[in-house]
Amino acid sequence: EAGVAQSPRYKIIEKRQSVAFWCNPISGHATLYWYQQILGQGPKLLIQFQNNGVVDDSQLPKDRFSAERLKGVDSTLKIQPAKLEDSAVYLCASSLGPAIYNEQFFGPGTRLTVL
Amino acid sequence: GDSVTQMEGPVTLSEEAFLTINCTYTATGYPSLFWYVQYPGEGLQLLLKATKADDKGSNKGFEATYRKETTSFHLEKGSVQVSDSAVYFCALSDGSSNTGKLIFGQGTTLQVKP
Repeated sequence: EAGVAQSPRYKIIEKRQSVAFWCNPISGHATLYWYQQILGQGPKLLIQFQNNGVVDDSQLPKDRFSAERLKGVDSTLKIQPAKLEDSAVYLCASSLGPAIYNEQFFGPGTRLTVL
Repeated sequence: GDSVTQMEGPVTLSEEAFLTINCTYTATGYPSLFWYVQYPGEGLQLLLKATKADDKGSNKGFEATYRKETTSFHLEKGSVQVSDSAVYFCALSDGSSNTGKLIFGQGTTLQVKP
């Protein structure tokens, strides 16, 4: 079974530029999560989708971050414009459903460096 | 809000030593508790979990017991190997919200020397 795919794996941009990350969850997984992991910290949830609807985006900085999951499969996370403090690893995870007993499977992450 | 606190790292041990990584939590509901592991160059993987008080999660020789009275979920292993070198994250998921959202601790780096 293929795991969660993410691309690109690495991205370097200058502040005020835009960037987009892509995630392809495990086939059949209805729930998709985007986490931000700053160096030395644990991952922090940015947004959660159930199929193509948003369940929780309370910690998403909506003035610069946006995410979509059209057709309830792939998802993209965008930052526009980027700030220095956005340097982090962006993790995508998926699960069969939102309940706590459904294991979340994580992708390898995209490491973003903002100069 | 809910939170997880882990012991500071890095933790450096010799092979076959006993491992304990402390984890305590604060939660208003009835959380499930997890340990995730991140090996060098790989993504996060679920190591073990416990869904209610007094449950013991175990996997690959690692164990952790859900202690509600001390709000703790300490990770233990009787004899570590070099291959256990990784970053370990304690996490909780609030059962009352039923969204599956995970709240992570800051991670503890384990280095095992031969």
